[in-house]
Amino acid sequence: KNQVEQSPQSLIILEGKNCTLQCNYTVSPFSNLRWYKQDTGRGPVSLTIMTFSENTKSNGRYTATLDADTKQSSLHITASQLSDSASYICVVSARGSTLGRLYFGRGTQLTVWP
Amino acid sequence: NAGVMQNPRHLVRRRGQEARLRCSPMKGHSHVYWYRQLPEEGLKFMVYLQKENIIDESGMPKERFSAEFPKEGPSILRIQQVVRGDSAAYFCASSPPSGLDYNEQFFGPGTRLTVL
Repeated sequence: KNQVEQSPQSLIILEGKNCTLQCNYTVSPFSNLRWYKQDTGRGPVSLTIMTFSENTKSNGRYTATLDADTKQSSLHITASQLSDSASYICVVSARGSTLGRLYFGRGTQLTVWP
Repeated sequence: NAGVMQNPRHLVRRRGQEARLRCSPMKGHSHVYWYRQLPEEGLKFMVYLQKENIIDESGMPKERFSAEFPKEGPSILRIQQVVRGDSAAYFCASSPPSGLDYNEQFFGPGTRLTVL
């Protein structure tokens, strides 16, 4: 069964601190993994997309890593800001899926306090 | 280039009524996807459409739900005889017509359906 599991479910950090969010998946055969940021009341916005050949990808203060062997990914946020408060969703796509189906994790709810 | 548009943003229906949710994809995008997000749950795939064609509807309930993406106009997700369990946020996403599973999907702001 294709699944995406994220941890922690929620996280509170102080402004300026770093944090790391985790994602484990069983989607097979794997094609690519995406991290999305979803603000409350809004649709998800893509942060990074990684294929199986990519180990790391950065987007500003966001750095995603991927280990296709262990089927794990992480999203590291440096120097957090209040605007980083949101749900961060790990999304995995299966290879050969011209049908566009994506498998979503439940997200990690990040709260940044001043 | 406007993003993915969805309307209405909020919709309230009584049990038994019909709900129609609209999605206008980004300009140049011919692929549309609908997702449902229940409270405290992740997004779940419902249906994938291209212009005038349903490509994959395996995530959509067999009864009461239907979707279309006509040649002209927005994509419509239609829920007939709504029940309280249909209350959720419904998101639409669109992608350009490259046909690859690497396609970046751009999401709309969602329609929040509340069934009384």
